[in-house]
Amino acid sequence: AQKVTQAQTEISVVEKEDVTLDCVYETRDTTYYLFWYKQPPSGELVFLIRRNSFDEQNEISGRYSWNFQKSTSSFNFTITASQVVDSAVYFCALSGGSGNTGKLIFGQGTTLQVKP
Amino acid sequence: GAGVSQSPRYKVAKRGQDVALRCDPISGHVSLFWYQQALGQGPEFLTYFQNEAQLDKSGLPSDRFFAERPEGSVSTLKIQRTQQEDSAVYLCASSFGQITGELFFGEGSRLTVL
Repeated sequence: AQKVTQAQTEISVVEKEDVTLDCVYETRDTTYYLFWYKQPPSGELVFLIRRNSFDEQNEISGRYSWNFQKSTSSFNFTITASQVVDSAVYFCALSGGSGNTGKLIFGQGTTLQVKP
Repeated sequence: GAGVSQSPRYKVAKRGQDVALRCDPISGHVSLFWYQQALGQGPEFLTYFQNEAQLDKSGLPSDRFFAERPEGSVSTLKIQRTQQEDSAVYLCASSFGQITGELFFGEGSRLTVL
């Protein structure tokens, strides 16, 4: 069975602090994709990143970085120098094994609150 | 607009009523998905269309749920004889290719069944 676990339900930080959102996944597939989405209060999910299971290189995009470790089945997301606009619910997701990478298994989400 | 548009944004239904939720995907997007998001939970997959073909409906929770995309563009999710457990936000997403993984989501339709 496929599963995504985001153990942190809520995180609260003060602006400019670094914060890491944890994601652990389970799958029996050898080929799969991992994603992070951001859901601001308006409700629409915004795509942040996609990684495939064969690419374990860490990625950095501005203040965002992602650490993919197959050995621990983790795909953690770090925001450096957090800002109030980063406040949102963040979801980690795993693609379904059928090859339809739009069929995503989402974690329960981590609510990030960044205080000024 | 350029994004995925969903209507109505909010719907209140009495138990037993039928409801229809509309999704207007980004123009030219081949793939369309419906997800259900209960309060405080992550979205859960309902169904997937590639153009007008419904290729996967494994997530539809019961035969009261029905989705269509007759012309390969606008899609409608219909829920018959609504129950309280159907209360949720229904999210529509689209993507350009057959399989890309980068989904563009609408703001959702929040359904409350009394």
